[in-house]
Amino acid sequence: DAGVIQSPRHEVTEMGQEVTLRCKPISGHNSLFWYRQTMMRGLELLIYFNNNVPIDDSGMPEDRFSAKMPNASFSTLKIQPSEPRDSAVYFCASSLHISQETQYFGPGTRLLVL
Amino acid sequence: AQSVTQPDIHITVSEGASLELRCNYSYGATPYLFWYVQSPGQGLQLLLKYFSGDTLVQGIKGFEAEFKRSQSSFNLRKPSVHWSDAAEYFCAVAPSSGGYQKVTFGTGTKLQVIP
Repeated sequence: DAGVIQSPRHEVTEMGQEVTLRCKPISGHNSLFWYRQTMMRGLELLIYFNNNVPIDDSGMPEDRFSAKMPNASFSTLKIQPSEPRDSAVYFCASSLHISQETQYFGPGTRLLVL
Repeated sequence: AQSVTQPDIHITVSEGASLELRCNYSYGATPYLFWYVQSPGQGLQLLLKYFSGDTLVQGIKGFEAEFKRSQSSFNLRKPSVHWSDAAEYFCAVAPSSGGYQKVTFGTGTKLQVIP
């Protein structure tokens, strides 16, 4: 299995631009999670999906953030417009089910907003 | 709601020394417990997990953890640390009741290994 795939691995953009992060979960996994990791705040859960349906988006910081999962093999996290404080590493993870199972993390997307 | 506390932000040990990383959780029943490791520039990797049964759990890379219900703890141990163990370690807890409930991660403990 290829594991969780994220793209791009690195993104540098200017403030105000739209940023789209992509994730392909492990085949057969029903749950998908988006996390943000910063030095100041650590690992924060932004949103998670079960069977492509968003279950809890209370961690999404602002309306500038949106996430979709149009099918079982693809999810996006979009920031529009981006701001310098959005600079972080964004991780996608997947698991067989939401709570009981191990989460498998992707390598992350390192985002820098100038 | 469950929570998890890692009281040590940063720990330094000498190579070859033993290691114990602390994790305390708060949950009404016995939760599912996990330890993950994150090497610099990498995603999180599962070291071990506890769901039920034997309270001493063996994991990868020579790590083990012991679930102590009376202390609400799930401390991670390794008898002899290697320089390659330098990383950040996250304890996590998930509800055993199932349903649409999320895993909660601790704030992490950064391990430094000195020669």
